[in-house]
Amino acid sequence: EVQLVESGGHWVQPGGSLRLSCAASGFTFSSYWMSWVRQAPGKGLEWVANIKQDGSEKYYVDSVKGRFTISRDNAKNSLYLQMNSLRVEDTAVYYCARYIVLSVTTWFDYWGQGTLVPVSS
Amino acid sequence: DIQLTQSPFFLSASVGDRVTITCRASQGISDYSAWYQQKPGKAPKLLIYATSKLQTGVPSRFSGSGSGTEFTLTISSLQPEDFATYYCQQLNSYGVTFGGGTKVDIK
Repeated sequence: EVQLVESGGHWVQPGGSLRLSCAASGFTFSSYWMSWVRQAPGKGLEWVANIKQDGSEKYYVDSVKGRFTISRDNAKNSLYLQMNSLRVEDTAVYYCARYIVLSVTTWFDYWGQGTLVPVSS
Repeated sequence: DIQLTQSPFFLSASVGDRVTITCRASQGISDYSAWYQQKPGKAPKLLIYATSKLQTGVPSRFSGSGSGTEFTLTISSLQPEDFATYYCQQLNSYGVTFGGGTKVDIK
């Protein structure tokens, strides 16, 4: 059974930093792209970042470029999101998701339960 | 940026109704889309990928279609467990984009 379990979310002040983790199990982690998707309170879904199987390619939504870094440790079956210079507008539930890439189409087939990151003073 | 506009924003329907949700892209970059269902306090769940392929375990009352700039999700006979918010998603040259969501509520 595929499982994705996020951790690391907690209250942080604007300008602060936080590192989220996602522990994966039930599949060959190193064979899949992985992603972070977030959802602000009462709002819709927003893709944050993707990382290729070997970490050689990373993509980010414009609003987090230069502040967030996605990474992975295939030996530990873990995905990470380092978030720096956090803003109030980064407040959201952050989901880890397995990302399927097939030529010109992509989708997220498994999601974690999410971890809440409140950013406020 | 490419926008995905879902309509309607809110839909009130009864059990047994046929429901159609539309997702329109501001530019026709891809002929493919995916659809997700999300219930309050829960993670999204994949329903449809590559426009029309049903994810394993998803009931056959869900179907997807479309191409270019317009995609649709249809629920042939709405069931009590289908009351939720639905999102479309596409890959484009800017990354991954989600539609704004359609909330399906009980009439």
